[in-house]
Amino acid sequence: GAGVSQSPSNKVTEKGKDVELRCDPISGHTALYWYRQRLGQGLEFLIYFQGNSAPDKSGLPSDRFSAERTGESVSTLTIQRTQQEDSAVYLCASSSIPLTSDTQYFGPGTRLTVL
Amino acid sequence: AQSVTQLDSQVPVFEEAPVELRCNYSSSVSVYLFWYVQYPNQGLQLLLKYLSGSTLVKGINGFEAEFNKSQTSFHLRKPSVHISDTAEYFCAVTSNSGYSTLTFGKGTMLLVSP
Repeated sequence: GAGVSQSPSNKVTEKGKDVELRCDPISGHTALYWYRQRLGQGLEFLIYFQGNSAPDKSGLPSDRFSAERTGESVSTLTIQRTQQEDSAVYLCASSSIPLTSDTQYFGPGTRLTVL
Repeated sequence: AQSVTQLDSQVPVFEEAPVELRCNYSSSVSVYLFWYVQYPNQGLQLLLKYLSGSTLVKGINGFEAEFNKSQTSFHLRKPSVHISDTAEYFCAVTSNSGYSTLTFGKGTMLLVSP
C-alpha cells in the first residue's frame, strides 16, 4: 500500500475485555514499531520488530500487552484485561532499514477508549 | 538513554508571523534529531532530521531547524506561518549508532490564527 495502515481507527471497550489492534506496514519495510500516545503526552515506545529477529519488548508496560508479527508483514498488538489507563492512541510505524537514521513512517493510529 | 524536553505545550501565533518551537535534549551519546508533525486526525509525518554535517537543516513546508550541540537544542523555525501549519509538532532523538528507538518530547501545539 501507499502508507502504513491501522485498524480499527477507533475502538471502545469495557474494562476487563481483550482488544486486538492491527498494523499493515509499508510493503518491503523490515522494521516495525508500536508506540502509545496518551492525552497530552509524547509517544511512548512499546515494541520493535526487525525481520525475523527477536523483538525488542522493553517498552511494553505490563504482561497484559503482547504483539506479534509474521515475517515482514502485518503486526497485531493485543491488550488483555484492558484497564482505563490503557486508553490512548496506539501508533504503528515502519521503516525500510533498521538504522536509527532511517525515517519512520507512521500510520493514523487506533484510538482506544476503555470504559 | 535519551530524553527530550519541549518547553511549550502550546504556541499561539498570527498568520504570516515567524515562529520558533523549542526542543532541548539530553543524551550521553551522539544523537540524531527529528521533528515530526501531526495534523488533526492524521498520523505523524517527518518534517526534517539532523544526521550530520550542516547544523542548519531544511525541511518540508518551509520549516528549518538548527542543531546546537553546546546548548543541546534543536529548535524549529518558520519565518512566516500559514493557517495550514496548525498542528502538533514533536521533537525526537535517537542514538546515532546501533539500534535505538526514537524518544519523543510531549509535543507543542502550534495554533495559527488569521
